[in-house]
Amino acid sequence: SQQGEEDPQALSIQEGENATMNCSYKTSINNLQWYRQNSGRGLVHLILIRSNEREKHSGRLRVTLDTSKKSSSLLITASRAADTASYFCAIYSGGSNYKLTFGKGTLLTVNP
Amino acid sequence: DADVTQTPRNRITKTGKRIMLECSQTKGHDRMYWYRQDPGLGLRLIYYSFDVKDINKGEISDGYSVSRQAQAKFSLSLESAIPNQTALYFCATGGGGDTQYFGPGTRLTVL
Repeated sequence: SQQGEEDPQALSIQEGENATMNCSYKTSINNLQWYRQNSGRGLVHLILIRSNEREKHSGRLRVTLDTSKKSSSLLITASRAADTASYFCAIYSGGSNYKLTFGKGTLLTVNP
Repeated sequence: DADVTQTPRNRITKTGKRIMLECSQTKGHDRMYWYRQDPGLGLRLIYYSFDVKDINKGEISDGYSVSRQAQAKFSLSLESAIPNQTALYFCATGGGGDTQYFGPGTRLTVL
C-alpha cells in the first residue's frame, strides 16, 4: 500500500512549544500533502511539497521531504491551543487518477 | 457559504435501510470523491468521479453506489445499510491541481 504512516500517533505539548510529526511512505511519489482535521470536521489542506523539493514554509509550518528515506516531517512552531487537531499526510503518486492516499494521522494536543 | 456541503450532517438508521448521502460543491471542480473515516484507520476512498460520465471505484466500494447528477452534485448510497458502515463520511472535490477540498462530513450510525 502507498499509505503514509504518521508518527507519533499522538503528541501532547505546551503552548509555545514546537510540534514535529513525521510521515513515511513506501514507493515513489509525485507530491506529499499535509491536512489538518479539527475534531469531527472536514480536512483542511495545509501545505504541499513536490518530490523535487526538500523544504517548504507556510507561516508557522515547515515541511521537509527526504525522498531517499521516503519520509516527510511537519513542524509547527510556537504552537497555540488552536493548533489542537489531527494531522494527516496524503500521498499523490502521480498519473491521471488524482487519487490521494491518506495516513492514519497524528493527534496533536496543545495545552494552554 | 461553504464551498462543499454535505447533507445530512448526522443520520441514524437501521440495518437494511437504504440511505443516500448528498454532496454539493460551488467550486466548479470536475473531480469529486467520497471517503469514509473510521477511528484509527484514517480516510479510505470509496468512489471518485472526474465528470458526470466517469465514475470509478475506490479501495472500499463494496456495499456502496454513487451517482453524479451534475458537475456540482455527487451522491453516495448505501443500498442496504449494515452496522459496520457506521462511520464518518466525507465528500471532497479536486480542481486543476492535486489538492482536495473537503466537506464538513456526515456522521452515519447504523443500528
